[in-house]
Amino acid sequence: GQQVMQIPQYQHVQEGEDFTTYCNSSTTLSNIQWYKQRPGGHPVFLIQLVKSGEVKKQKRLTFQFGEAKKNSSLHITATQTTDVGTYFCAGRRGNTGFQKLVFGTGTRLLVSP
Amino acid sequence: DGGITQSPKYLFRKEGQNVTLSCEQNLNHDAMYWYRQDPGQGLRLIYYSQIVNDFQKGDIAEGYSVSREKKESFPLTVTSAQKNPTAFYLCASTSTPWSFNTEAFFGQGTRLTVV
Repeated sequence: GQQVMQIPQYQHVQEGEDFTTYCNSSTTLSNIQWYKQRPGGHPVFLIQLVKSGEVKKQKRLTFQFGEAKKNSSLHITATQTTDVGTYFCAGRRGNTGFQKLVFGTGTRLLVSP
Repeated sequence: DGGITQSPKYLFRKEGQNVTLSCEQNLNHDAMYWYRQDPGQGLRLIYYSQIVNDFQKGDIAEGYSVSREKKESFPLTVTSAQKNPTAFYLCASTSTPWSFNTEAFFGQGTRLTVV
């Protein structure tokens, strides 16, 4: 079954409000990746986090990797209508041999102007 | 431009029929994957291939089959044994299957509807 859960499943905000999605794994991850899928589109890679406690920023987006490497979060400051889409986290459990990428359940973000 | 091409974008199938979804990449990537996307369930792995002439079952392989005769191509066949095939199918690739530090590139997807 699904080993990487995301909450919330869906969130509707007004433009300018902040948004956060949380990603939780049942096992320790070697890394965490975040993808964005626009409505009707395909997932597109945003960023990768590797180190315990790592924080990375991309303009209004802030990504964190938990100390135990089992959880991660994506925070968007002052959302814009262009942020609409579904955000997925994805992780691998090992760093040797083939480790398949396990995707989270996704959080669908809707932003009203 | 390098990328992954899936065809067709929309596909309709009658119950009891097999159908094959195409996935071609010109990124020179070793590994290729097929995911199924249903509302509220994220992306679930159907099959993956680390290298030519090799492939393994993912989490939901029942009712599906694949082949990897060429590095560039990884077609997925949805057989009549798949009980609920209506879904959005995504093909992806990564440069090397053995590195944990590689991102996945996705095709545009094929939306399959059983009528």
